[in-house]
Amino acid sequence: NAGVTQTPKFRVLKTGQSMTLLCAQDMNHEYMYWYRQDPGMGLRLIHYSVGEGTTAKGEVPDGYNVSRLKKQNFLLGLESAAPSQTSVYFCASSYSLGSGELFFGEGSRLTVL
Amino acid sequence: AQSVAQPEDQVNVAEGNPLTVKCTYSVSGNPYLFWYVQYPNRGLQFLLKYITGDNLVKGSYGFEAEFNKSQTSFHLKKPSALVSDSALYFCAVRSGTYKYIFGTGTRLKVLA
Repeated sequence: NAGVTQTPKFRVLKTGQSMTLLCAQDMNHEYMYWYRQDPGMGLRLIHYSVGEGTTAKGEVPDGYNVSRLKKQNFLLGLESAAPSQTSVYFCASSYSLGSGELFFGEGSRLTVL
Repeated sequence: AQSVAQPEDQVNVAEGNPLTVKCTYSVSGNPYLFWYVQYPNRGLQFLLKYITGDNLVKGSYGFEAEFNKSQTSFHLKKPSALVSDSALYFCAVRSGTYKYIFGTGTRLKVLA
């Protein structure tokens, strides 16, 4: 069972470069999320989606864009990377019904120089 | 504002001893509460949840958590700690239908 798969797992960027993180889930979940994890700050929600074609801003959306063209995929884009975006990024998904525990990917470690 | 607090950055416990990782929350309405564990270089894994019913919730790997409404707490417990339990633990509360608020995490270190 693949669950939630994130690519790439590691990436180093220079300031100003762009990139896209891909999240794919095979559980037919409605809800998908992008979080960033920084030391001492826990997980902070960047953007989320409650269904195909819909996205919404989370707690720290500035500098990021997202798209959910297909139900199973949720893309996170950085248009012009900044050192402050150095972090570990986690994608998660959940069912729309029920108590909705989150299923997480393994994470993508991004370094912006 | 809705929030989750984990007051301890790190908890050290000897192997075989009981462990407690603390979590308090502030949320309007009935809370949906969760515990997740993160091993090094891995994603978070779901441990257990409280939705309604019995205040003592049992989860994976022998963990349990006690919901206390009057103290707005949801502490994670295990009767006998293992070295392999050493990891980062996150408490979370569901805010509304689909948003989750996470605590800052508590690093558990079980000493052999």
